[in-house]
Amino acid sequence: DQQVKQNSPSLSVQEGRISILNCDYTNSMFDYFLWYKKYPAEGPTFLISISSIKDKNEDGRFTVFLNKSAKHLSLHIVPSQPGDSAVYFCAASGSGNTPLVFGKGTRLSVIA
Amino acid sequence: KAGVTQTPRYLIKTRGQQVTLSCSPISGHRSVSWYQQTPGQGLQFLFEYFSETQRNKGNFPGRFSGRQFSNSRSEMNVSTLELGDSALYLCASSLEVRTGYGYTFGSGTRLTVV
Repeated sequence: DQQVKQNSPSLSVQEGRISILNCDYTNSMFDYFLWYKKYPAEGPTFLISISSIKDKNEDGRFTVFLNKSAKHLSLHIVPSQPGDSAVYFCAASGSGNTPLVFGKGTRLSVIA
Repeated sequence: KAGVTQTPRYLIKTRGQQVTLSCSPISGHRSVSWYQQTPGQGLQFLFEYFSETQRNKGNFPGRFSGRQFSNSRSEMNVSTLELGDSALYLCASSLEVRTGYGYTFGSGTRLTVV
């Protein structure tokens, strides 16, 4: 039973355009959501997060949107750059001592 | 400030053998979590330790075990290796079990079982 779903295994975007990565979750107890970025042969690195009390969080070119009623979040990257090409993982956590639950990842390719 | 260090980086083992992987967290971090990454499966949670105690355990068979030492370093062990255990094993550390900024991951240990 997958609690965090990233339904698009891959995404290709032209440099300078917007990249939108989507994530759905099923567990209504999740109250904190994070995005990680992973390059080959490296561990995932934290990118941006959002608490369930917010519906938007912005950090430079990266914005995360949360729609709690739809149990959906998305990561927007504007403008996309070739260096953004990586695998992006969506993760969620609930209250208490619960570990992060990750999606399967979306491979983003930004084409110059 | 040193990051999370995992050793070894690469490992090749034969079916039936056992293996021990090591993780040194960021200095001051007391929580260590282990994840398995396989193609198409994302990151699957193995276990989490905090102050030498296992706080959470994922849905893996008993062949997978771990421990944490008093200096917060952690090891995970896989006994009776199977071909399906081939994966990237990632360790992550954090100040506490649940932190607002998630985990800091190491570069992982790539285990290949032949």
